[in-house]
Amino acid sequence: RKEVEQDPGPFNVPEGATVAFNCTYSNSASQSFFWYRQDCRKEPKLLMSVYSSGNEDGRFTAQLNRASQYISLLIRDSKLSDSATYLCVVRRGSGTYKYIFGTGTRLKVLA
Amino acid sequence: GAGVSQTPSNKVTEKGKYVELRCDPISGHTALYWYRQSLGQGPEFLIYFQGTGAADDSGLPNDRFFAVRPEGSVSTLKIQRTERGDSAVYLCASSLGGVGDNEQFFGPGTRLTVL
Repeated sequence: RKEVEQDPGPFNVPEGATVAFNCTYSNSASQSFFWYRQDCRKEPKLLMSVYSSGNEDGRFTAQLNRASQYISLLIRDSKLSDSATYLCVVRRGSGTYKYIFGTGTRLKVLA
Repeated sequence: GAGVSQTPSNKVTEKGKYVELRCDPISGHTALYWYRQSLGQGPEFLIYFQGTGAADDSGLPNDRFFAVRPEGSVSTLKIQRTERGDSAVYLCASSLGGVGDNEQFFGPGTRLTVL
């Protein structure tokens, strides 16, 4: 079992739709959580950090459930430009800045 | 300002050869990371440096892989006796470092192909 697991997709959704991705992590000592976005054949870029209280950035909402060890990302009013792979990232634990990436979930927003 | 740069952008080599991959981080970033990404997978952690020292090298797959950062800036990932399974995109990232989680800025990667 991978330490950070994501459904690889692809998720094909029409423009304007709301789509949600989940990610589970196995190490209960994990400290910090993030979503990165990676466009095809490009480098990953930070989308947002994920806080215990949940956080929102425009059309994007991230949630963390420590008890169940999962992280979610909700995208509202999908745009064509949201088409990308979304990577769930977890910092393994205190005393290290080792970041573990999930496989990524591929999103295609269709016109 | 300048982002993270990596050279070469592409490297084709033969099985058994030695390769060096270079990363120039963002100026002032003390933390530097190396990852490897295969097709359809997320980046796989290899090693990270805080300053000149390797703070965590637990992701290096075996002793054919080695990385240095002698002056706390540029880093070189060295792979000896390359194997076909080493073919991947090697990504470098840098961040401010220190205490706390700081955003990692990635370079464009080096695509390594071992024939």
